[in-house]
Amino acid sequence: GAGVSQTPSNKVTEKGKYVELRCDPISGHTALYWYRQSLGQGPEFLIYFQGTGAADDSGLPNDRFFAVRPEGSVSTLKIQRTERGDSAVYLCASSLGTSGGNTQYFGPGTRLTVL
Amino acid sequence: DAKTTQPPSMDCAEGRAANLPCNHSTISGNEYVYWYRQIHSQGPQYIIHGLKNNETNEMASLIITEDRKSSTLILPHATLRDTAVYYCIVGGGFKTIFGAGTRLFVKA
Repeated sequence: GAGVSQTPSNKVTEKGKYVELRCDPISGHTALYWYRQSLGQGPEFLIYFQGTGAADDSGLPNDRFFAVRPEGSVSTLKIQRTERGDSAVYLCASSLGTSGGNTQYFGPGTRLTVL
Repeated sequence: DAKTTQPPSMDCAEGRAANLPCNHSTISGNEYVYWYRQIHSQGPQYIIHGLKNNETNEMASLIITEDRKSSTLILPHATLRDTAVYYCIVGGGFKTIFGAGTRLFVKA
């Protein structure tokens, strides 16, 4: 079946602009996660959703970052007033949403470059 | 902070078993051990997970010590395509903390 998809695959923007990154999870997965990965480092947790609600947004670096999942499926990560330090690969993952053995399936990521 | 400790890099000869260690001395009773890998420019890929017992699937085996404070991921016959960064993660809920992982180089 279809895996997690993310669009766009690459996004180049200028400092100060607004960007939206989209994630389509695996059908039926109730949990959805966003991570950010800088070069040479492991993925950094940003936020996860259980259904439509953000269950844990403790990883969002500041209030320029916001994510939504209005219908419990597709999610959008929104970044306002982008800064050069926001340049990274943004990864999305989804899982069935049960605690315990909770395997996450990752998308290919969106590479964001802020000039 | 990551709750696991892994060597930063390892080498393995093609066709030989790759044994990747992970220390997780602060693991709690209901936390699973997960392994993922990330091949260059791709998203992380799930490999295997376990709670107490050793586990095996088509990709790898996971050996967890009796005290659960460490584990080993075994790739029985490493190929060049297994060159990747391997992440060991402990958790039982949803917030997942990745460390830096082990960069495995499989050499011909």
